Amino acid sequence: GENVEQHPSTLSVQEGDSAVIKCTYSDSASNYFPWYKQELGKGPQLIIDIRSNVGEKKDQRIAVTLNKTAKHFSLHITETQPEDSAVYFCAASIRVEGGNTPLVFGKGTRLSVIA
Amino acid sequence: GAVVSQHPSRVICKSGTSVKIECRSLDFQATTMFWYRQFPKQSLMLMATSNEGSKATYEQGVEKDKFLINHASLTLSTLTVTSAHPEDSSFYICSARASYSNQPQHFGDGTRLSIL
Repeated sequence: GENVEQHPSTLSVQEGDSAVIKCTYSDSASNYFPWYKQELGKGPQLIIDIRSNVGEKKDQRIAVTLNKTAKHFSLHITETQPEDSAVYFCAASIRVEGGNTPLVFGKGTRLSVIA
Repeated sequence: GAVVSQHPSRVICKSGTSVKIECRSLDFQATTMFWYRQFPKQSLMLMATSNEGSKATYEQGVEKDKFLINHASLTLSTLTVTSAHPEDSSFYICSARASYSNQPQHFGDGTRLSIL
């Protein structure tokens, strides 16, 4: 089955700097890669996702890149702010017409943005 | 945007009590709902997948008689932790996905269950 590895487990950056979180996956059939942000005591919130037919996607200060050959994808947050502090999870799944596999999550990255 | 509502947010009860957690998709129809368990500072562990109108599919190691899942409508799924014991204390999170396969999966805000 799918295995998702996520690094680093913790990350501290100064406010205004960029943060990068990396994930690798094992199943070459996976074609959908979302990123979730989880704040303390809350459920994960989808912040961006990418499908395997795209190499990069941006949404304001957040971007995700995907390298299908190497089977890894990364989350980039630019101009970090204290409110970006949270735990971030990457995930992977296979999406096909008629049925999708459940999301397989990485172990999470605790991001701390220091003001 | 899509919203998944989970209730209650916090439960504290005595050992042996059964606890029901509700998960609702508020602005979309969810063919599939998922239940996760999360231990402190750990990732989400999938417990079961439920499709509306059919029996839930449980992950290996999850007791189906212990964690009863009902997905009776396209907007509601429930998880009942039967005869809960202290080791069942955890953060339970539901998730829902709209009927179309290209829709993202959205999560509720979780239920913190504490069994005394």
